[in-house]
Amino acid sequence: QSVLTQPPSASGTPGQRVTISCSGSSSNIGSNTVNWYQQLPGTAPTLLLFNNNQRPSGVPDRFSGSKSGTSASLAISGLQSEDEADYYCAAWDDSLSGREVFGTGTKVTVL
Amino acid sequence: QVQLQESGPGLVKPSETLSLTCTVSGGSISTYYWSWMRQPPGKGLEWIGDIYYSGTTNYNPSLKSRVSISIDTSRNQFSLKLRSVTAADTAVYYCARVIVGATVGYYYYMDVWGKGTTVTVSS
Repeated sequence: QSVLTQPPSASGTPGQRVTISCSGSSSNIGSNTVNWYQQLPGTAPTLLLFNNNQRPSGVPDRFSGSKSGTSASLAISGLQSEDEADYYCAAWDDSLSGREVFGTGTKVTVL
Repeated sequence: QVQLQESGPGLVKPSETLSLTCTVSGGSISTYYWSWMRQPPGKGLEWIGDIYYSGTTNYNPSLKSRVSISIDTSRNQFSLKLRSVTAADTAVYYCARVIVGATVGYYYYMDVWGKGTTVTVSS
């Protein structure tokens, strides 16, 4: 069902930089903005980044995003233990009369 | 601060209809879009559909034949109905507020989420 492709896992030690990729197509990432959601264990997702690289109030500037063509990426710099979570990219897809599509999800582990 | 709370039966029998309600508190349901998502156990997120406060709806094509979303602005609530459920519909169901617009491309994101409610389809 997932239209956007992410690596299943990523890891790093505290303080390191971790990057997560999100690959889509011309009908979603290629045409519209990308958002990222963080899901801490056992909790609901929360908005982490919107419009490719904008942080909602309260999100640390350690989190940053970028988009190029039909791909996007999320970077976590200065990795902290509380960053251990699942991360999902998402974008509106213009095909099939329009729908929101999510990435496959990436589990980030802090070693 | 806007908060959302899902409510409804936690167990639904196969072939019956799943019905959930999302209550919005701390703000008005008007002028926004509202959406439903779900997450099967151990799996990723799936967008089910959305509704504008005026009643206009948009559904995931993969679920469109079985889904309906409605809104009651007087109660600050919106609801989800999913017909003819099977075990594959077992999931945590989330409601969320949606921000939409267009600048360079269309933007659509969920800025406030409910805590989710678990629905199991089983006889």
